[in-house]
Amino acid sequence: GENVEQHPSTLSVQEGDSAVIKCTYSDSASNYFPWYKQELGKRPQLIIDIRSNVGEKKDQRIAVTLNKTAKHFSLHITETQPEDSAVYFCAASSGYSTLTFGKGTMLLVSP
Amino acid sequence: NAGVTQTPKFRVLKTGQSMTLLCAQDMNHEYMYWYRQDPGMGLRLIHYSVGEGTTAKGEVPDGYNVSRLKKQNFLLGLESAAPSQTSVYFCASRTGPEQYFGPGTRLTVT
Repeated sequence: GENVEQHPSTLSVQEGDSAVIKCTYSDSASNYFPWYKQELGKRPQLIIDIRSNVGEKKDQRIAVTLNKTAKHFSLHITETQPEDSAVYFCAASSGYSTLTFGKGTMLLVSP
Repeated sequence: NAGVTQTPKFRVLKTGQSMTLLCAQDMNHEYMYWYRQDPGMGLRLIHYSVGEGTTAKGEVPDGYNVSRLKKQNFLLGLESAAPSQTSVYFCASRTGPEQYFGPGTRLTVT
């Protein structure tokens, strides 16, 4: 089955800095890669996703890049703000049916 | 629309007791999922359903059973709870690619 590795497990940045979270996947059939944000005590919520026919996708301060050859994808957050502090999960899927999640990255943005 | 709701929000069980967690969605979604979330382990899929009357095993199905008798409801059962099942349980549903999560149920087994 699919295996998703996520790094780092914790990331501390200063407000205004950029943050990068990286994930690798094992199944070459995976073609859908979402990122979820989970604030403390809340439910996970989708923030951005990318499909395998696209190399990069941006939405305001967040972007995701995908390298199918190397089987890795990354989340980039620019101009970080304290409200970006949360746990971020990457995931991979073949055909949307089920998602395999990484173990999460706790991002702390200090004012 | 309430979206995805879960009942109960919190529960404490003794080892060997049984219980059922209820997930309900009012978005007419075909797919429904049960995950458990443990510290440092991410979200792991327990069971899922691709439509009313169907169920399938996920990554960590042992010790759990599920039923999807109505399209809007997905039940997760623990027949004989064990301390290893202490966790936060999330339900999710979807029709398109995005999964919508419920607020979670925090279960403690003593």
